[in-house]
Amino acid sequence: AQTVTQSQPEMSVQEAETVTLSCTYDTSENNYYLFWYKQPPSRQMILVIRQEAYKQQNATENRFSVNFQKAAKSFSLKISDSQLGDTAMYFCAFMKPAGNQFYFGTGTSLTVIP
Amino acid sequence: NAGVTQTPKFQVLKTGQSMTLQCAQDMNHEYMSWYRQDPGMGLRLIHYSVGAGITDQGEVPNGYNVSRSTTEDFPLRLLSAAPSQTSVYFCASSSGYQPQHFGDGTRLSIL
Repeated sequence: AQTVTQSQPEMSVQEAETVTLSCTYDTSENNYYLFWYKQPPSRQMILVIRQEAYKQQNATENRFSVNFQKAAKSFSLKISDSQLGDTAMYFCAFMKPAGNQFYFGTGTSLTVIP
Repeated sequence: NAGVTQTPKFQVLKTGQSMTLQCAQDMNHEYMSWYRQDPGMGLRLIHYSVGAGITDQGEVPNGYNVSRSTTEDFPLRLLSAAPSQTSVYFCASSSGYQPQHFGDGTRLSIL
């Protein structure tokens, strides 16, 4: 079975600063996908960034980037130039291609302080 | 483009009542899933489907039934509601190796 661990239940960051959210996972699969989702107070689940395990290059999406360490099974999210709108719950997710099954971590609540 | 539509958005039930949470997607996605979200526990998979006529259990299936008679619809049934099923429920769909698209969620309270 796959497990996803987010060890930081809550974090805060000053506006315009950089913050890194941690995620580790456990799997015996060699091919898989990893995602970060954002859930603001509106409750919507919004895709932030995606990483394919077979790609060594770390994914980036504007102010969001990941540090993917396959051997260590680590997938952290870095948010640069934090904005007030980044305040949300962030979920790390692992996807096993067979059946498109997703496994989510317990989330990190991020607060951006003005 | 509606994406994934969940109804209702809010519901209050009494213990022992039954109800169906509706989920529909208009993206022709083959994969659909139901999750529940509880504080401190993230999203846990209840049931999922890899195509019309095919469903399987996830991590927390007890007390819930699903069916998938069409590609578009994936309803979740609570047969006899219990207070432990108070939660926020999300439906999601995806295709190929693409990210899941989520509905807006249903907040369900069982008294």
